[in-house]
Amino acid sequence: EPEVTQTPSHQVTQMGQEVILRCVPISNHLYFYWYRQILGQKVEFLVSFYNNEISEKSEIFDDQFSVERPDGSNFTLKIRSTKLEDSAMYFCASSEQSYGYTFGSGTRLTVV
Amino acid sequence: AQSVSQHNHHVILSEAASLELGCNYSYGGTVNLFWYVQYPGQHLQLLLKYFSGDPLVKGIKGFEAEFIKSKFSFNLRKPSVQWSDTAEYFCAVKRGSQGNLIFGKGTKLSVKP
Repeated sequence: EPEVTQTPSHQVTQMGQEVILRCVPISNHLYFYWYRQILGQKVEFLVSFYNNEISEKSEIFDDQFSVERPDGSNFTLKIRSTKLEDSAMYFCASSEQSYGYTFGSGTRLTVV
Repeated sequence: AQSVSQHNHHVILSEAASLELGCNYSYGGTVNLFWYVQYPGQHLQLLLKYFSGDPLVKGIKGFEAEFIKSKFSFNLRKPSVQWSDTAEYFCAVKRGSQGNLIFGKGTKLSVKP
């Protein structure tokens, strides 16, 4: 069964540093998403991406966040200057249409 | 405020007990409804989804859910739980044509062997 692959599984970074979280969506999928889950809280939508541009973003997705699909296979989430409150599990998802998501196993980001 | 509510934070059951997890949403208009499961240390997996048609939806692993439009509810049920059902369960709603999912806070299910 096709999978969404996320790397790394766990990243520890110092406050103020830039991090890039990587995702390889399912190859024939057209819609890509990032969600996050702060420990003990609900899964929150960050951003959706379609046709090489952001189609929707939440209030959480401020100027320190950006997404890219640099090479047609990877889908990255960059956090420019990390804060302690960015510590969370970040999930990538992809879908063939605007539903039917497949989620990756997540990257646990710890900001110290 | 528009939201997805899961009223049970933690449910503890013995094996073979019946399960019902509540989910209510506050959006009007067309919605698509989902239940996801997250086993310890693993990613979110789709249990079942409702788009249209029969409001009683059957999913994987013996789970089902019923969409009651008048109650804005989409409760998850299983007649007889197993220890392997221990996980966190998330209800999610997709509003109309918008692509993103709005998740509830999740319900942790612990099944005692």
